[in-house]
Amino acid sequence: DSGVTQTPKHLITATGQRVTLRCSPRSGDLSVYWYQQSLDQGLQFLIQYYNGEERAKGNILERFSAQQFPDLHSELNLSSLELGDSALYFCASSVEDIYNEQFFGPGTRLTVL
Amino acid sequence: AQSVAQPEDQVNVAEGNPLTVKCTYSVSGNPYLFWYVQYPNRGLQFLLKYITGDNLVKGSYGFEAEFNKSQTSFHLKKPSALVSDSALYFCAVRDMGNTDKLIFGTGTRLQVFP
Repeated sequence: DSGVTQTPKHLITATGQRVTLRCSPRSGDLSVYWYQQSLDQGLQFLIQYYNGEERAKGNILERFSAQQFPDLHSELNLSSLELGDSALYFCASSVEDIYNEQFFGPGTRLTVL
Repeated sequence: AQSVAQPEDQVNVAEGNPLTVKCTYSVSGNPYLFWYVQYPNRGLQFLLKYITGDNLVKGSYGFEAEFNKSQTSFHLKKPSALVSDSALYFCAVRDMGNTDKLIFGTGTRLQVFP
């Protein structure tokens, strides 16, 4: 158990809908990262938050957004969903140190029908 | 741009035999390298990392990795494979640009046969 929790575990929805994925980082970790894992794109970085502020953006679509709350949990919002958004979405957390590893949650499997 | 490559989609090995999962990197500057393992329907679990120091890094579950600067490689190794080691293995490098995200390889599926 990495100490990072994600809910829900599975999500099935229809095209055009909006969903919210939730992540709670390990106790004490200020950085939260979101990654998308799909068969064709592999593991791709989406966005990073540090202590409530957006730190960096990766290959995140404009239809996607995220935020980190004062209690450090984070939410990833996916809207106007398309079939191609079906993937496994991971949250990871770490302390603020480039030498440290990131700890990953179990992921949310999103299926868009 | 920083990147890692995992040249093998799958590695097959018999239980008890040594295993190697290959990774090569391309970075500007000193690389910060990581290995993660993903079991079915699970998240990624950290195995080990190379930041600096000894070229042989020891990690979890008996795994180790050898950093080779001249060959720009960071191969994952284990002296004696277990059936339970069967999983998907990812090599990653820390991005040293304006973000400290991890840049992952495409993954290598390790299959250990009894």
